[in-house]
Amino acid sequence: GENVEQHPSTLSVQEGDSAVIKCTYSDSASNYFPWYKQELGKRPQLIIDIRSNVGEKKDQRIAVTLNKTAKHFSLHITETQPEDSAVYFCAANTGRRALTFGSGTRLQVQP
Amino acid sequence: NAGVTQTPKFRVLKTGQSMTLLCAQDMNHEYMYWYRQDPGMGLRLIHYSVGEGTTAKGEVPDGYNVSRLKKQNFLLGLESAAPSQTSVYFCASTGQGGQETQYFGPGTRLLVL
Repeated sequence: GENVEQHPSTLSVQEGDSAVIKCTYSDSASNYFPWYKQELGKRPQLIIDIRSNVGEKKDQRIAVTLNKTAKHFSLHITETQPEDSAVYFCAANTGRRALTFGSGTRLQVQP
Repeated sequence: NAGVTQTPKFRVLKTGQSMTLLCAQDMNHEYMYWYRQDPGMGLRLIHYSVGEGTTAKGEVPDGYNVSRLKKQNFLLGLESAAPSQTSVYFCASTGQGGQETQYFGPGTRLLVL
């Protein structure tokens, strides 16, 4: 089955700096890679996703890049703000039926 | 449009007791999922369903059973709870399996003593 590894497990940045979270996946057949944000005590919510026919996708301060050859994808957050503090999960689809999630990155943005 | 709801929000069980967690969605989604979330381990898939009347095992199915008698509901059962099942349980649903956004419920916090 699919295996998704996520790094780092914790990340602390100063407000205004950039943050990068990286994930690798094992199944070359995976073709959908979403990122979820989970604030403390809340449910995970999708923030951005990318499909295997695209190398990069941006949405305001958030971007995701995908390298299919190396089987890794990354989340980039620019101009970080305190409200970006949360746990971020990457995922890759397991066949067409389910997702496999990474273990999460706790991002702390220091004011 | 409530999205995905879960019942109960919090529950304390004694070892060996049984309980059922209910997930309901009003988005007419075919796919529904049960995850457990433990510190440092992300979201691990317990069971899932690809449509009414179907169920399938995920990554960590042992000790759990599920049923999908109605399209909008997905039930997770613990027949004999164990302390190792202390966790936060999330339900999710989507229209196209592993191809699009999963919408999560608010979670159920379960403590097994």
